Amino acid sequence: DTAVSQTPKYLVTQMGNDKSIKCEQNLGHDTMYWYKQDSKKFLKIMFSYNNKELIINETVPNRFSPKSPDKAHLNLHINSLELGDSAVYFCASSHGFDGVRTMQYFGPGTRLTVT
Amino acid sequence: GDSVTQMEGPVTLSEEAFLTINCTYTATGYPSLFWYVQYPGEGLQLLLKATKADDKGSNKGFEATYRKETTSFHLEKGSVQVSDSAVYFCALSDRSGGSYIPTFGRGTSLIVHP
Repeated sequence: DTAVSQTPKYLVTQMGNDKSIKCEQNLGHDTMYWYKQDSKKFLKIMFSYNNKELIINETVPNRFSPKSPDKAHLNLHINSLELGDSAVYFCASSHGFDGVRTMQYFGPGTRLTVT
Repeated sequence: GDSVTQMEGPVTLSEEAFLTINCTYTATGYPSLFWYVQYPGEGLQLLLKATKADDKGSNKGFEATYRKETTSFHLEKGSVQVSDSAVYFCALSDRSGGSYIPTFGRGTSLIVHP
């Protein structure tokens, strides 16, 4: 059973388009995250949701909008895609706010290429 | 804010060599510390963790000790294998307001030659 899954795995699109990436976890976790990993492997947190409520919203263009329909899903919608949005996007989940338990489980990533 | 600093890579070693990847951190609170590993084409996986000073996390022959006095969490392995080739991320989780904020280092690429 896949713990954290993302779709699609690869996404190639043109500048100006709108696209979505979906994430689902079956671990029963109540906190989910989106990260962006650039070409140099630098991993930066974008958003975090706890029980469908936004709790972390780093400095990210408002073209990026997360949506959490329920605790098991956190989708990422991106409007007006730009070349600089090309990266690998990782979804992750964790259990609660306790420091011991905030080790995260990561999805396999979605490689977004904007042409 | 919090930050994690890792040695720059790539680190290139021969099989059975000793590995050290340095990691230091700054944090406003008392963070938990983690090492994650990312194999090519995959997501990150937790390798080991430590939650308080002097704790030693260990897994698959890797070890790291939480050193509060030097704010460090260096990763070590006595004898690396080709299969250890991956990118290693040091991370912390620190309380900020009502949430625990995860912060990652920039990753260190390890290449192990036969």
